[in-house]
Amino acid sequence: DTEVTQTPKHLVMGMTNKKSLKCEQHMGHRAMYWYKQKAKKPPELMFVYSYEKLSINESVPSRFSPECPNSSLLNLHLHALQPEDSALYLCASSQVRGTNHQETQYFGPGTRLLVL
Amino acid sequence: AQTVTQSQPEMSVQEAETVTLSCTYDTSENNYYLFWYKQPPSRQMILVIRQEAYKQQNATENRFSVNFQKAAKSFSLKISDSQLGDTAMYFCAFMKPRSQGGSEKLVFGKGTKLTVNP
Repeated sequence: DTEVTQTPKHLVMGMTNKKSLKCEQHMGHRAMYWYKQKAKKPPELMFVYSYEKLSINESVPSRFSPECPNSSLLNLHLHALQPEDSALYLCASSQVRGTNHQETQYFGPGTRLLVL
Repeated sequence: AQTVTQSQPEMSVQEAETVTLSCTYDTSENNYYLFWYKQPPSRQMILVIRQEAYKQQNATENRFSVNFQKAAKSFSLKISDSQLGDTAMYFCAFMKPRSQGGSEKLVFGKGTKLTVNP
């Protein structure tokens, strides 16, 4: 099973709203990722959690706030977003380290976010 | 820093034919992973195939195979017997394993949009 789930599938929010994106995996992976993807572009890494601790923040604005409540869940809290933040937000997971392709990242279906 | 180049922004192929997508990369590392991901218009990024650099044998997954040329730093994807469902954006990606001192970062190419025509 290589399934990563994300909710909601679509989200429309105003610039003053607060919303959250959710990601879940049950593969026993201990690394989880948030990516932002604009149309026709590759994903851009935002955050990485390893063993529930933030290990990488790619200089993301503070209006994006990640949270990893446990090893299976990853949230992205959104507040005071800008229209340019509209994009597809992808979650991924992998093992932290290992052999036999364990570090391969598996992606969820994404949340399509529109900021008005 | 590693870079990944996909020189074909768009390609098309007739159903049942074979198509090859190119990918080159630049690295000074000796051990690393290479991946091809597929993202159909429905948007989910799906792993197509992966290759470990220390393995000389080219990876294959059903109709998908790679031509891995380590010295030339080339990692092309061949799709045989193309199907309409292969229509997607294809991304080539590079990663240095953490066991080799790497980070969690995937380095992506800009992608190749493949259209399979009936």
